Formats: sequence, C-alpha cells, structure tokens
Amino acid sequence: GAGVSQSPRYKVTKRGQDVALRCDPISGHVSLYWYRQALGQGPEFLTYFNYEAQQDKSGLPNDRFSAERPEGSISTLTIQRTEQRDSAMYRCASSLTDSGTAHTEAFFGQGTRLTVV
Amino acid sequence: AQKITQTQPGMFVQEKEAVTLDCTYDTSDPSYGLFWYKQPSSGEMIFLIYQGSYDQQNATEGRYSLNFQKARKSANLVISASQLGDSAMYFCAMREGQAYNQGGKLIFGQGTELSVKP
Repeated sequence: GAGVSQSPRYKVTKRGQDVALRCDPISGHVSLYWYRQALGQGPEFLTYFNYEAQQDKSGLPNDRFSAERPEGSISTLTIQRTEQRDSAMYRCASSLTDSGTAHTEAFFGQGTRLTVV
Repeated sequence: AQKITQTQPGMFVQEKEAVTLDCTYDTSDPSYGLFWYKQPSSGEMIFLIYQGSYDQQNATEGRYSLNFQKARKSANLVISASQLGDSAMYFCAMREGQAYNQGGKLIFGQGTELSVKP
C-alpha cells in the first residue's frame, strides 16, 4: 500500500482479554517498529524488526506484550490479559533500509487506539 | 537517563513570524541522527527534517531548518514564516548507531505544542 496501515483503528476490550494489533508496513520496507503513545506524550519505543528478526524488544513493558513478524512483512503486537494501564495509542512505523544506519526516517501509521475497560 | 529533552511544553507564535523549538540530546555514540516530526490534531506523525551527526551543514527543508550545535548537543527546529497550519505538536527524536544491529529505534522527546495566532 501507499502508507503504513494499522488495524483496527480503535479497539475497546475488557480487562483480562487478549488483543492483537496488526501492522502492514510500506511495501519493501525492511525495518518495522512498534511504539506506544500516551496522550500528550512522545512515542515510547516498544520493539523493532529487521525483516523477520526481532532486533530489540527492550521497550516491551512486561511479558504480557509480544510481537512477531513471521514473513518479514506484516507484524502483530499481542497484549495478553490486558489491564487498564495498557490503554494508549499503539503506533507502527516502517523504514526502507535496515537499521544499520542512523540516516533513515521512519514512516508512521495512523495508530490503533486501545481502550481497556 | 532521558536522551531527548524538549523543555517547552507549549509555544505561541504570530502568523508569518519565525519560531524556534528547542531540543537537546544526550549520547556517547559518535554516530547518530536527529529527526523532527510534526503531529497535528489528526494524530498522524509527519517527518519534517533530518540531521546527521557528521553533516557539516545545517539541514533545511523549505520553511524548516535545523540549528545543529554539536558541542552543545542541541538540535533546534526553526520554522520561518509561520502559518496557521503549523499549529501542532512537534517531536524531536534521535537514533543512535551506524553499525549493523545497533541503533534502529528512535527515541522521542516529550514534544512541544505550537500554536500559531492569526
């Protein structure tokens, strides 16, 4: 597609349920990133992939959060046993080259607004 | 340790005036990139401008320029001739590292909310 696509755009879930957030990056982009953004704050890094390999997951808050990108394209961020504090905007981004350079901007999707009630 | 600091939570500027949004960073890596993104009320993240740590010249993109002072570790965004459509949240971000499997992630500041007055 023309840009990074995320689905769903909005998700309301009950506490304790599992949720899966999907990201479809720009075609051909090697690197894919997941961020979480609270209202009025900057995006907070969660994890990123080069192709299908998860390079850094240091930002995942705890083991309820996981991500995969099995074929090096679409990625899924899964949150198990959701809690109210997980409510936030979850953003995906992709960049063209692998992250071996500091010089490549990331293109962001519109995000998924997650609300845990 | 916070790596990107934006000390201005909010700024006001008169239409057609220039405005500077501050950003300081902290890194021990000699290779890094600095980015500015714009986030309007619609929520999208729009890339504005990039500055590499080894770049000799300050980056410019249309009405946007980056005042890069390496010794001070600052990367301020200058918007010339402000327009009403410039009203948005602005984020400074940094990516460290140039070797394979290093860096990658962008670290963002807290943002500055810019309001342009008619």
